[in-house]
Amino acid sequence: AQRVTQPEKLLSVFKGAPVELKCNYSYSGSPELFWYVQYSRQRLQLLLRHISRESIKGFTADLNKGETSFHLKKPFAQEEDSAMYYCALGSARQLTFGSGTQLTVLP
Amino acid sequence: NAGVMQNPRHLVRRRGQEARLRCSPMKGHSHVYWYRQLPEEGLKFMVYLQKENIIDESGMPKERFSAEFPKEGPSILRIQQVVRGDSAAYFCASSPPGDSYEQYFGPGTRLTVT
Repeated sequence: AQRVTQPEKLLSVFKGAPVELKCNYSYSGSPELFWYVQYSRQRLQLLLRHISRESIKGFTADLNKGETSFHLKKPFAQEEDSAMYYCALGSARQLTFGSGTQLTVLP
Repeated sequence: NAGVMQNPRHLVRRRGQEARLRCSPMKGHSHVYWYRQLPEEGLKFMVYLQKENIIDESGMPKERFSAEFPKEGPSILRIQQVVRGDSAAYFCASSPPGDSYEQYFGPGTRLTVT
């Protein structure tokens, strides 16, 4: 069965500092990985997916099959990045979500 | 496009009552997904529906829970004889045909069972 682990419930960084949100997964097949974000009082929304290889709002994520990881990174955090971030794995038309990391960017 | 709509936003039920949660997908979306989020946990997949069809209900509890997506009208998640453990946030998402993973989420319904 697939599983997604986000080891950090809470993460605080100062504005301008680099940020990395960790995500590890277990899945026997070839995974599709995603990051979803929920800003305060807004809906959960797709941030990026690994197959698109895009940088969205300065965030990138690289799929590392050897380490079964899909960490989310941004070189310079902004206060507006404060939100709840969920890593998700897609298989058989389902999404399996991690438990989320609450990122706070301090001024 | 108003996005995925869910109602009610908050629902309070006493133990043993029925709860009905509604979800209207985005215009042009024919796939609907229901998720449940318990406190301190991530979203857990419950069921995936297309119009008039249940495609995957592997995440649905075997008893008391049912879902439908009729030809006309919203998708309904129905919980019969609710218990305290059913208290959670229930999210609905929809996706366009051909891409099940780009899901657009509704604001959720917070169910409280007293």
